[in-house]
Amino acid sequence: DQQVKQNSPSLSVQEGRISILNCDYTNSMFDYFLWYKKYPAEGPTFLISISSIKDKNEDGRFTVFLNKSAKHLSLHIVPSQPGDSAVYFCAASARSGGSNYKLTFGKGTLLTVNP
Amino acid sequence: GAVVSQHPSRVICKSGTSVKIECRSLDFQATTMFWYRQFPKKSLMLMATSNEGSKATYEQGVEKDKFLINHASLTLSTLTVTSAHPEDSSFYICSAIPQGGNQPQHFGDGTRLSIL
Repeated sequence: DQQVKQNSPSLSVQEGRISILNCDYTNSMFDYFLWYKKYPAEGPTFLISISSIKDKNEDGRFTVFLNKSAKHLSLHIVPSQPGDSAVYFCAASARSGGSNYKLTFGKGTLLTVNP
Repeated sequence: GAVVSQHPSRVICKSGTSVKIECRSLDFQATTMFWYRQFPKKSLMLMATSNEGSKATYEQGVEKDKFLINHASLTLSTLTVTSAHPEDSSFYICSAIPQGGNQPQHFGDGTRLSIL
């Protein structure tokens, strides 16, 4: 049973436009969410995170939005650049529940930014 | 900063061989490291949590005698796939959390294991 779902396996966007990557979760104990970016033949690289006490976190071109009532989060990249082309993983953990730093990952979304 | 090195990056070996994969935190100390496995078109699945100086905690369904984990120092954890068989072929990846907590996991580049 997938507790973290990324329903879009792929997304294609034009350079300069906004990329919106979506993630849904089912476990209400999750209180910390992360986005990782992965290039082929490399490990995932941490991008941005958000705690459940917030609904938005911004870092440069990357913004993560959290809607707790809908159990939904999204990653916005604006403006998108060709170098952003990668697989993006959504991950969640239940820190306050004692499982500390264990992460549950979605299947990933392949983002392609076309020049 | 926060670099995790995983070695080897690729292993091809015969069925029945035991394979050791190393995970090192190069510029930080990690009390906790994690081992994941990823099948094609699937998400990263946590196999076990490795704690320095103590026994690893395995996720449900993961055979501890099959996947031996040793975390002997604050910068090194090893995963040994014992008597590997073709069904063990997969992508194995480790991560580490810098001491002090409250930081994201940093990942190695993974090991592609192919058992013939």
